[in-house]
Amino acid sequence: EAQVTQNPRYLITVTGKKLTVTCSQNMNHEYMSWYRQDPGLGLRQIYYSMNVEVTDKGDVPEGYKVSRKEKRNFPLILESPSPNQTSLYFCASSLRYNSPLHFGNGTRLTVT
Amino acid sequence: KQEVTQIPAALSVPEGENLVLNCSFTDSAIYNLQWFRQDPGKGLTSLLLIQSSQREQTSGRLNASLDKSSGRSTLYIAASQPGDSATYLCAVRPNTGGFKTIFGAGTRLFVKA
Repeated sequence: EAQVTQNPRYLITVTGKKLTVTCSQNMNHEYMSWYRQDPGLGLRQIYYSMNVEVTDKGDVPEGYKVSRKEKRNFPLILESPSPNQTSLYFCASSLRYNSPLHFGNGTRLTVT
Repeated sequence: KQEVTQIPAALSVPEGENLVLNCSFTDSAIYNLQWFRQDPGKGLTSLLLIQSSQREQTSGRLNASLDKSSGRSTLYIAASQPGDSATYLCAVRPNTGGFKTIFGAGTRLFVKA
């Protein structure tokens, strides 16, 4: 089944403890991106990647890192999480620049 | 800076009614516009994608239109059903290079049986 898989679905952690949220797609998509969704603010883009080893900042990149070493994987790294990064995170992928976005089911992160 | 607005924030209609959801954007320099559906606890599902050169797209009971010059898009849902209850979001891809995507905050739709 064609899909975008995020793990974990739920994560509770403490301030400052490094964590990684994984994202993998099995559709050979070129483009991948990360978003966070907060009540009243909608989805905001964190980072995106247009190909292997090609990444760039979205609108809210502060406090996050990404890497794209393989086409199928695009992990999101929080080196020192803070409570203001408590949010619902989504990974998405797209075959081409003008193709529809396919989303994962989300990761709900709580930082205490 | 591109901003995307969706009005109303919430909408409740009786089953069977035809309805229109609105999406407006401040900068007409867009590459495409996409409509999504989001169910509680789930990810977003793509409904329709309109390229900047297109005026509308249709899929089943859904029709999306795009008027770039006025910075507006509408999603028309015909003969609404309780299963259509969800949050509907629109998103634009600015025509500025990169792979940026700007989302509206969504319209929460409730269709009463």
